Amino acid sequence: EVKLLESGGGLVQPGGSLRLSCAASGFTFTDFYMSWIRQPPGKAPEWLGVIRNKANGYTTEYNPSVKGRFTISRDNTQNILYLQMNTLRAEDTAIYYCYNNYYWGQGVMVTVSS
Amino acid sequence: DVVMTQTPVSLSVSLGGQVSISCRSSQSLVHNNGNTYLSWYLQKPGQSPQLLIYKVSNRFSGISDRFSGSGSGTDFTLKISRVEPDDLGVYYCGQGTQYPWTFGGGTKLELK
Repeated sequence: EVKLLESGGGLVQPGGSLRLSCAASGFTFTDFYMSWIRQPPGKAPEWLGVIRNKANGYTTEYNPSVKGRFTISRDNTQNILYLQMNTLRAEDTAIYYCYNNYYWGQGVMVTVSS
Repeated sequence: DVVMTQTPVSLSVSLGGQVSISCRSSQSLVHNNGNTYLSWYLQKPGQSPQLLIYKVSNRFSGISDRFSGSGSGTDFTLKISRVEPDDLGVYYCGQGTQYPWTFGGGTKLELK
């Protein structure tokens, strides 16, 4: 059974940083592109970026809306996907999901507020 | 960015009925490799989105054949037949052909 379990969310002040994790199991992690997607309450999802699979050198692509502030990485020995978020703004408040092109995690809430 | 436009925004249906949701993209979704990366997702209340259809018309594992996807280029449709209570929620189309990947605004399916 595929499982994607995000963690690391919470309340952070504007300008702060946060690192999200996504623990993956039930599939061969290195074979899959892994993405982060966020969804502000009541709004449509927004794709943030992707880290490719082993065959494609684990390279990354980002949405211009977060490029330079957010960084995606992966630990292929522990099957964990990361999202490092810096210089956070109120508009970054959302549920953050990891996604392997087929399955979504349950999501983790990030609230940016003073 | 590729803009994904879904219509209608909301839809009321009777149980057992049939509905269609339209998704149009601002650019062709045909990738250089010949594939068209258009997917459909359902987000039930309080849950994460789940994949229903990928590459226009391929049903994901465990998805009922009551769900069917069609279309090409910039114009796509999701059809749901014999609607059941578990089908209610918000449907999103999404494209993975061009970066950044983008989603439609959603179509809320409700009971009449």
